[in-house]
Amino acid sequence: GAGVSQSPRYKVAKRGQDVALRCDPISGHVSLFWYQQALGQGPEFLTYFQNEAQLDKSGLPSDRFFAERPEGSVSTLKIQRTQQEDSAVYLCASSLGRLSLSYNEQFFGPGTRLTVL
Amino acid sequence: QQQVKQSPQSLIVQKGGISIINCAYENTAFDYFPWYQQFPGKGPALLIAIRPDVSEKKEGRFTISFNKSAKQFSLHIMDSQPGDSATYFCAASIFNDMRFGAGTRLTVKP
Repeated sequence: GAGVSQSPRYKVAKRGQDVALRCDPISGHVSLFWYQQALGQGPEFLTYFQNEAQLDKSGLPSDRFFAERPEGSVSTLKIQRTQQEDSAVYLCASSLGRLSLSYNEQFFGPGTRLTVL
Repeated sequence: QQQVKQSPQSLIVQKGGISIINCAYENTAFDYFPWYQQFPGKGPALLIAIRPDVSEKKEGRFTISFNKSAKQFSLHIMDSQPGDSATYFCAASIFNDMRFGAGTRLTVKP
């Protein structure tokens, strides 16, 4: 595909339900990031993968949040026992992840808007 | 702890005018400063970026001014157009650690 894709685009969950959000990064991109964007705010870092290794999960707000990327490509962000404060847009980004560069441009997907009722 | 502070929250400019958005950062370890543009229902897209070893970078109508000693940088949009109406985010990054400002909603009136 041409860019990062995310599914579903919209998700409505009842409080207490589990949800799974999917991210398909750009082919060949080694690094993958998840961000949470609250209404009217900038994206906030959740977690980061280099291939299948989760190198940083310091931004995950609670142990209800779990991310995986088992084959180093598609990633899933899972939120267990959703709460109203989890309502936000969840953005996925990918980058080439070249360690020789101090910065690799991150390409963002359109996001999944999660609403917890 | 908000590491990147952005102002104003919203901005209304007439077509043809100059839009100016300001950001300040705290961590001097940041070494890459991108600006992102986001339209409703879309993810952020890189607009222009600068490294701290230069004081200004221009790409078309978009210019970043960077003041390392003041730990501030700004985005200038010249000849603003209605199609520029979007939310703009500044960010500061060191390797894969990127922190965003809260965003500025720009409206360019025809």
